Amino acid sequence: EIVLTQSPGTLSLSPGERATLSCRASQSVSSTYLAWYQQKPGQAPRLLIYGASRRATGIADRFSGSESGTDFTLSISRLEPEDFAVYYCQQYANASYTFGQGTKLEIK
Amino acid sequence: QVQLVESGGGVVQPGRSLKLSCAASRFTFSTYAMHWVRQAPGKGLEWVAVISYDGSDKFYADSVKGRFTISRDNSNNMLSLQMNSLRLEDTAVYYCALRFNTWLYNAFDIWGQGTMVTVSS
Repeated sequence: EIVLTQSPGTLSLSPGERATLSCRASQSVSSTYLAWYQQKPGQAPRLLIYGASRRATGIADRFSGSESGTDFTLSISRLEPEDFAVYYCQQYANASYTFGQGTKLEIK
Repeated sequence: QVQLVESGGGVVQPGRSLKLSCAASRFTFSTYAMHWVRQAPGKGLEWVAVISYDGSDKFYADSVKGRFTISRDNSNNMLSLQMNSLRLEDTAVYYCALRFNTWLYNAFDIWGQGTMVTVSS
């Protein structure tokens, strides 16, 4: 099973700052099948990024995804108040999916 | 728009069974693979199972294999999850989800609101 390790566990930033969230895979992951989700309390997750770097429909362009080998990054260029939430990466391989443990983005 | 509504959650004793349902509407249910994803209280997301559009293929997470069964009724636009031999660690919100827009590779763009399952003695 491919394990996704997200860091940091919690990120404390202020509105307007840039956020950088990391997701490291335990083995090679196809970038085609790497996605990022945002989840707010009491809500279902919302798809932000698919294919490692492609924004889903309706997602603001301040959100971007990138990859370098087995390391994947979600960046938020200028934090808005509504961006403070928990973020998960997800991968698919061999008929199985795994999620990272999440990064909580909190207001500093 | 596309909608998924889960039901069937509740409180159940360890070792007992429970069946969850997910009612799909406003899309051609019979042409899409469907998933269950769960989230224990205060924890992260865990993929549980997937069923192909016609029910011919099913895959499970190791944590539920042999205990849970995913199924679907395409004539009634319904997805189900039969959960047997429930354990304390199965306590979670259970979401049904799918990749609706085909260009999204295998990402899930549609989620239900979830149904809570509590396994407790």
